[in-house]
Amino acid sequence: QVQLVQSGSELKKPGASVKVSCKASGYTFTTYAMNWVRQAPGQGLEWMGWINTNTGNPTYAQGFTGRFVFSLETSVSTAYLQISSLKAEDTGVYYCAGSADWGGFDIWGQGTMVTVSS
Amino acid sequence: QSALTQPRSVSGSPGQSVTISCTGTSSDVGGYDYVSWCQQHPGKAPKLMIYDVIKRPSGVPDRFSGSKSGNTASLTISGLQAEDEADYYCCSYAGNYTLLFGGGTKLTVL
Repeated sequence: QVQLVQSGSELKKPGASVKVSCKASGYTFTTYAMNWVRQAPGQGLEWMGWINTNTGNPTYAQGFTGRFVFSLETSVSTAYLQISSLKAEDTGVYYCAGSADWGGFDIWGQGTMVTVSS
Repeated sequence: QSALTQPRSVSGSPGQSVTISCTGTSSDVGGYDYVSWCQQHPGKAPKLMIYDVIKRPSGVPDRFSGSKSGNTASLTISGLQAEDEADYYCCSYAGNYTLLFGGGTKLTVL
């Protein structure tokens, strides 16, 4: 079936980096653009940006520039989110979500919990 | 860009109808027919319930409906059921290849 499977929970120290993966299956990878969404503990959803799965071109939302990088490994139908110089405020659940157009997120990954703590 | 405005909470009894609003501007909600609604149960990933303002994905009950007037979109849930208790988020295209979420609304089924 159509699904996105994300990598497991991460516990990192401030200043470290983390790379979250999102593997697509059940459909042609380029059918959906890949979005990344953050949910801080007890908070709402925040759109981080998206990557064009045809061209690899990323677009970052305000507040997610500089330390955040979206990338693809098309050969294995996988998208990645890398966050460098981690801060405590980066703690949260990170979701990948596929969208066919701007009308809605058609499929969601199960989420990856990233905890930043010394 | 500020988040879209949703009520923090709404409630209703089983069988009743509730409406959740999502207010933006002419640069997002009012400017495009690209408003969606997601449902999120505690500890779970969000699920798409409405897309393109009014369309329902396959498998979503027709008790869920969407609409838009000016800069405000709405999600209406009729015939409330216990399993509808969840957080609901609106999302809108905001131009320049960007999206905005609402702050989320907690629906309580009394």
